[in-house]
Amino acid sequence: AQSVTQLDSQVPVFEEAPVELRCNYSSSVSVYLFWYVQYPNQGLQLLLKYLSGSTLVKGINGFEAEFNKSQTSFHLRKPSVHISDTAEYFCAVSDRVKVTFGTGTKLQVIP
Amino acid sequence: GAGVSQSPSNKVTEKGKDVELRCDPISGHTALYWYRQSLGQGLEFLIYFQGNSAPDKSGLPSDRFSAERTGGSVSTLTIQRTQQEDSAVYLCASSSTGTGGYEQFFGPGTRLTVL
Repeated sequence: AQSVTQLDSQVPVFEEAPVELRCNYSSSVSVYLFWYVQYPNQGLQLLLKYLSGSTLVKGINGFEAEFNKSQTSFHLRKPSVHISDTAEYFCAVSDRVKVTFGTGTKLQVIP
Repeated sequence: GAGVSQSPSNKVTEKGKDVELRCDPISGHTALYWYRQSLGQGLEFLIYFQGNSAPDKSGLPSDRFSAERTGGSVSTLTIQRTQQEDSAVYLCASSSTGTGGYEQFFGPGTRLTVL
């Protein structure tokens, strides 16, 4: 069985400030990890993914995430957010068959 | 090329009626997933298809829910005797492999409202 925990349901942050959205997972097997973003009234799209190799993964729109196996975490970061980053962010884990999503974190960027 | 499409985009139905939701995956994608997105509930996995077979139906909430996929392409999610708690956005996604290591492409969803 696998699970994903997104510790924060909402994160308000001022424009141009850094942000970290937290994600922890549990799985009995090795996994692939993903972050998806859902902009208001739009579908989900892939932000970045970790399959293997370097634990620091860079995605679109200046986001990056670091896979930490010992802490079973895959936190998402951006050094300076923009208004356009206001969206809901979902962390997901896959055991190569099933994908399990977290409950999402709403990022609200304040002007 | 075309992305994942879903129809209808919105469906309002009365409690007790049956509904069918359709998903057209990206051409050539062998894996197809159905999820349910409810307010505050995140994304709930419903069912996964690899080709026309469903190796994992564990997420279907009750026997009122069923899904099929034909020709390795279009999938239909059927909800019988709808209940108000079935109201949600139903999302479909497809990927080029079922191994989980590849990106899932999501459709825009069907918003189901059960009155």
